[in-house]
Amino acid sequence: DAKTTQPPSMDCAEGRAANLPCNHSTISGNEYVYWYRQIHSQGPQYIIHGLKNNETNEMASLIITEDRKSSTLILPHATLRDTAVYYCIVSRYSNDYKLSFGAGTTVTVRA
Amino acid sequence: NAGVTQTPKFQVLKTGQSMTLQCAQDMNHNSMYWYRQDPGMGLRLIYYSASEGTTDKGEVPNGYNVSRLNKREFSLRLESAAPSQTSVYFCASRDAVSRGPHQPQHFGDGTRLSIL
Repeated sequence: DAKTTQPPSMDCAEGRAANLPCNHSTISGNEYVYWYRQIHSQGPQYIIHGLKNNETNEMASLIITEDRKSSTLILPHATLRDTAVYYCIVSRYSNDYKLSFGAGTTVTVRA
Repeated sequence: NAGVTQTPKFQVLKTGQSMTLQCAQDMNHNSMYWYRQDPGMGLRLIYYSASEGTTDKGEVPNGYNVSRLNKREFSLRLESAAPSQTSVYFCASRDAVSRGPHQPQHFGDGTRLSIL
């Protein structure tokens, strides 16, 4: 599976959009980009995933560049409850695929 | 709508004791996973079960055994607990069959295990 690079931390103002970058320059054609987050003391929470098209759901939007070497997770209106560690994971899909969690980005939303 | 349920939520053991961590999911998922998370680190895969009746080792299987009891339940056993196994353990499941193999994993809230 391709390796990902994320900034270790970032701050965001409450009510503003939070844009979380992720580099995955070695991604291959059959690998998806997944985003999870982990709020303190809780289990990881799935946010969104995509292959090459931009995706949006009730939680966030995922923008994947045309060459697929990087992506951005957008939280449109950050709240204090969005303070968490955000993980960008690239994984090829298969019946027994496994997720490899790196260090992630610690996002702190400030009032 | 329980999702993935892990029991117990907290446990303290003495070195050498044995224990089984339980995980059950009510989403009819075929694949289940056990991870451990140590302070300041990401999750590491211990064992997984791609389908009922199969189990495979992950990154850090030593000191653990697993049982896929049925489609709903996947247990993790520590036969002789060691202080190095102090960690938070997460169970996850996913449906790789009905909606395609790229479906995401869904996690429980973890078991916090301390071994003295």
